[in-house]
Amino acid sequence: SYVLTQPPSVSVAPGMAASITCAGDNIERKGVNWYQQKPGQAPVLVIYYDSDRPSGIPERFSGSNSGNTATLTVSRVEAGDEADYYCQVWDSISAHQVFGGGTKLTVL
Amino acid sequence: EVQLVESGGGLVQPGGSLRLACAASGFTFNDYEMNWVRRAPGKGLEWIAYINTVASTKRYADSVKGRFTISRDNAKNSVSLYMHSLRGEDTAVYYCVREGNLRDFDFWGQGTLVTVSS
Repeated sequence: SYVLTQPPSVSVAPGMAASITCAGDNIERKGVNWYQQKPGQAPVLVIYYDSDRPSGIPERFSGSNSGNTATLTVSRVEAGDEADYYCQVWDSISAHQVFGGGTKLTVL
Repeated sequence: EVQLVESGGGLVQPGGSLRLACAASGFTFNDYEMNWVRRAPGKGLEWIAYINTVASTKRYADSVKGRFTISRDNAKNSVSLYMHSLRGEDTAVYYCVREGNLRDFDFWGQGTLVTVSS
């Protein structure tokens, strides 16, 4: 089955940019979606189809996808961005949805 | 406003059964595929079940295949998850999730907690 690998944690100072990676075999051939989940809340879609933002998501959130790595970038990080972030793809071979293991973003 | 409201969670003994329900509103329910996703304590998100718009196609994660059944009632704007032979590792918050046009999960319910313990 298809595997997505994320770093367990990323730390960043307020006002700086945070990059969260999601590695998968030829992931550039898939559409990657990203979710933010804060403690006690449901996940929220922040990026879909590699780099598109749903309405209501700040422009500070951006995504890219190339080769074997997709990346979520949060610019000008704020304390309120502290959360768990997950990447997700549709694996057409298994016909299953697949999530990465998640990355905890800590704002220092 | 899109709303997904789950119900039916609770405490169940190992080997027991439980039915989760999700009531949908604020969109044309029978136009959308639906899923269940769970998050176990200390773990990440795990997709577990999918159903297409007319309930002709259902898919399951290997971890629940043969024990869980997903269904939907388009007349009642609802989707259900029947869970049997429950195990401790099924303890999790279960989310009802709408699938968008690009295989994304664009709206999530608030979740319902299932605890499997004796």
